[in-house]
Amino acid sequence: KAGVTQTPRYLIKTRGQQVTLSCSPISGHRSVSWYQQTPGQGLQFLFEYFSETQRNKGNFPGRFSGRQFSNSRSEMNVSTLELGDSALYLCASSTGQPRAYNEQFFGPGTRLTVL
Amino acid sequence: LAKTTQPISMDSYEGQEVNITCSHNNIATNDYITWYQQFPSQGPRFIIQGYKTKVTNEVASLFIPADRKSSTLSLPRVSLSDTAVYYCLVLGGATNKLIFGTGTLLAVQP
Repeated sequence: KAGVTQTPRYLIKTRGQQVTLSCSPISGHRSVSWYQQTPGQGLQFLFEYFSETQRNKGNFPGRFSGRQFSNSRSEMNVSTLELGDSALYLCASSTGQPRAYNEQFFGPGTRLTVL
Repeated sequence: LAKTTQPISMDSYEGQEVNITCSHNNIATNDYITWYQQFPSQGPRFIIQGYKTKVTNEVASLFIPADRKSSTLSLPRVSLSDTAVYYCLVLGGATNKLIFGTGTLLAVQP
């Protein structure tokens, strides 16, 4: 069974631009969560989707948004990029709603660099 | 607001047992505590989870006291390949959001 895939793996953007990241969950998984990982802040929860509905959102500004499609694939978008948005963005999928008891399967991440 | 804290780093030698503790207050009463392992340039990978007392699988043990305000991941007889960052994951009690611990870098030396 294929794992979680994220595209692109690496991305370089400049301040003010916008970016869209994509995540394809494991087949059969209906839940997708997104995380931002930085050396200073660690792993921070961005948002979670279950059956195309955003179920929860972390403490990030409105420039961060996402969506989930009927095939469970998910995208996240960051508008008006800032230098501080440089991070590894991780996507995780699970069979049920995002809970600590539902094992999350992580993709390799997208490394975003904002210049 | 739930906070999860872990030691920043730990050093060990091959063959030793390593215990990594995560302190977490105000976590959801109806969810588990889970631990993940992360290698460089990879996403975190599930290790073990539990609700209370002790859980053991083929790679680790997890100890959770009755008040569930902390949990301890125990790695028996570590090897060089166990060098990684270890995270606890809980569900915040008030926020109902998943919260990763601050992460512990375990460095295993020969």
